[in-house]
Amino acid sequence: NAGVMQNPRHLVRRRGQEARLRCSPMKGHSHVYWYRQLPEEGLKFMVYLQKENIIDESGMPKERFSAEFPKEGPSILRIQQVVRGDSAAYFCASSPTTSGGLSYNEQFFGPGTRLTVL
Amino acid sequence: TQLLEQSPQFLSIQEGENLTVYCNSSSVFSSLQWYRQEPGEGPVLLVTVVTGGEVKKLKRLTFQFGDARKDSSLHITAAQPGDTGLYLCAGAAGSTLGRLYFGRGTQLTVWP
Repeated sequence: NAGVMQNPRHLVRRRGQEARLRCSPMKGHSHVYWYRQLPEEGLKFMVYLQKENIIDESGMPKERFSAEFPKEGPSILRIQQVVRGDSAAYFCASSPTTSGGLSYNEQFFGPGTRLTVL
Repeated sequence: TQLLEQSPQFLSIQEGENLTVYCNSSSVFSSLQWYRQEPGEGPVLLVTVVTGGEVKKLKRLTFQFGDARKDSSLHITAAQPGDTGLYLCAGAAGSTLGRLYFGRGTQLTVWP
């Protein structure tokens, strides 16, 4: 009965390197969301994915950030050429369903990956 | 621009006291979730409210969704040190499936 799993829990990168964050949703969940949490700012939506599809990426920075959720394996949030401003906690959430019409959208969060850019 | 405003931002009380935290918006939400987050961990879902005027109880916690589905409150009775944490409200907008809009949270500290 595992929950949402994220790894690594902590990631340190130097400016200009790439960061890859992984997320395995809860069993039976096919919807994955990524959020970023900065101190004093709260959780900000980044992207919503289903298997092999990006549904909503309106919260993603236009450059250097990408996300995927392949048919097999975890969802990946990739940050290229990291800068100090990318330092934050990145959370993944999964949901069992998002039905049309009435939105009853319960999302279950993982423990997060804390990215530090030196 | 913050879609959901939470108040107070910080709350420090003694064990046994009652408290209420608020989550307000000018927007209508189709559902609203309350989460609690502890340092170094992800948010943990406490409750989801869906219907305007709905009241849900979870032991000493009482959650209410406003009649117009624009605001919500969380009331804790006889707070305990174990209630300490960051309380977050998050709304789902009917026109935008998927994403949740989060408030900045209320940091609650309960002293023994």
